[in-house]
Amino acid sequence: EDKVVQSPLSLVVHEGDTVTLNCSYEVTNFRSLLWYKQEKKAPTFLFMLTSSGIEKKSGRLSSILDKKELFSILNITATQTGDSAVYLCAVGPGAGSYQLTFGKGTKLSVIP
Amino acid sequence: DGGITQSPKYLFRKEGQNVTLSCEQNLNHDAMYWYRQDPGQGLRLIYYSQIVNDFQKGDIAEGYSVSREKKESFPLTVTSAQKNPTAFYLCASSIGTGPSRTQYFGPGTRLLVL
Repeated sequence: EDKVVQSPLSLVVHEGDTVTLNCSYEVTNFRSLLWYKQEKKAPTFLFMLTSSGIEKKSGRLSSILDKKELFSILNITATQTGDSAVYLCAVGPGAGSYQLTFGKGTKLSVIP
Repeated sequence: DGGITQSPKYLFRKEGQNVTLSCEQNLNHDAMYWYRQDPGQGLRLIYYSQIVNDFQKGDIAEGYSVSREKKESFPLTVTSAQKNPTAFYLCASSIGTGPSRTQYFGPGTRLLVL
């Protein structure tokens, strides 16, 4: 059974801190790993990673994949209150060629 | 504007009632998906469709049904057989071919049982 495990489940930090969110996975046919940010409603896409060791960056957010050890990390530097959200990790394909398997998410709270 | 729309935003269901959640996309995406999200849980796949007139069960299809008569539309019916339907329902779509399988999500429908 495909599995995606995120840690920690929740995290509280102060503005300006740097955080690292973890995602480990076991899937039958790995194609890509995706990170999403979910505030109140729809998850919004952050990154898609397919190759090991190549860092993706967008502003203060960055992510890297280790296909040998089957995990990814999402880093957020100089956190702001607007970074407060649930961060979801998903890996595909799942059982069907288009399926993603999602982790439970990490709830990040950034306090002033 | 391209995007995915879901309606209604909130839906109330009485015992024994079937209700239908709407999902429409104008992104010309081939694949569409329905997920259920419960508090503290990740997204769980209910159904997905790769092309018109074809759909597949996901991990928790029991008590749900779907149709895909048009590329733009993928409605989800929560039937009376679904005993615990209270949840947040998210629809997503993705380009069917090429290296990208990134799924883009609609704003969601929150279903509550009266």
